[in-house]
Amino acid sequence: IAGITQAPTSQILAAGRRMTLRCTQDMRHNAMYWYRQDLGLGLRLIHYSNTAGTTGKGEVPDGYSVSRANTDDFPLTLASAVPSQTSVYFCASSEGSNTEAFFGQGTRLTVV
Amino acid sequence: AQSVTQLGSHVSVSEGALVLLRCNYSSSVPPYLFWYVQYPNQGLQLLLKYTTGATLVKGINGFEAEFKKSETSFHLTKPSAHMSDAAEYFCAVSALRGAQKLVFGQGTRLTINP
Repeated sequence: IAGITQAPTSQILAAGRRMTLRCTQDMRHNAMYWYRQDLGLGLRLIHYSNTAGTTGKGEVPDGYSVSRANTDDFPLTLASAVPSQTSVYFCASSEGSNTEAFFGQGTRLTVV
Repeated sequence: AQSVTQLGSHVSVSEGALVLLRCNYSSSVPPYLFWYVQYPNQGLQLLLKYTTGATLVKGINGFEAEFKKSETSFHLTKPSAHMSDAAEYFCAVSALRGAQKLVFGQGTRLTINP
């Protein structure tokens, strides 16, 4: 089934640890995005990638890094997790800016 | 740059009543506009989108939205609410040209009263 796969689905992480959230899509979409969802704040863009080999910063990029080595994968790395990074993280992809964005099921991350 | 404001973090209507969820946007370039729905513990699903052309767009589950450039609005409506419409709704904007970034509003939680 075509779509976006995120892993893990949930994780409890000790503060200071490094963590990579994985995102893979099999739709050959050019654009990919990482959002965090927090109560009362909606979805905020962390990083995005318009095409393989390029990335850009979103609204809340601090503490996060991404890479886009190929079309299908867009991992999000927390170099040294802090409790304020406790959130639900959604990966998404789209063919272009005028087309539907498809979302993964999310990763629930708790930093303690 | 683009931004979205959803008026009302929580809307409650009776089953069978009109649903109106408000969205205003800001964009320095012609926008693409979207409404997404999120059911509990799930990802987001597209309801409808405006790109170009007809300003009244129809989506899934009986929802529709009208793009009003003069009011910079893209309000979501449904004539008759159903219990299954209870969810969180997000308005989003992206640029017609330039970076392919989707910018979301804060979300509106819709509750349906029996």
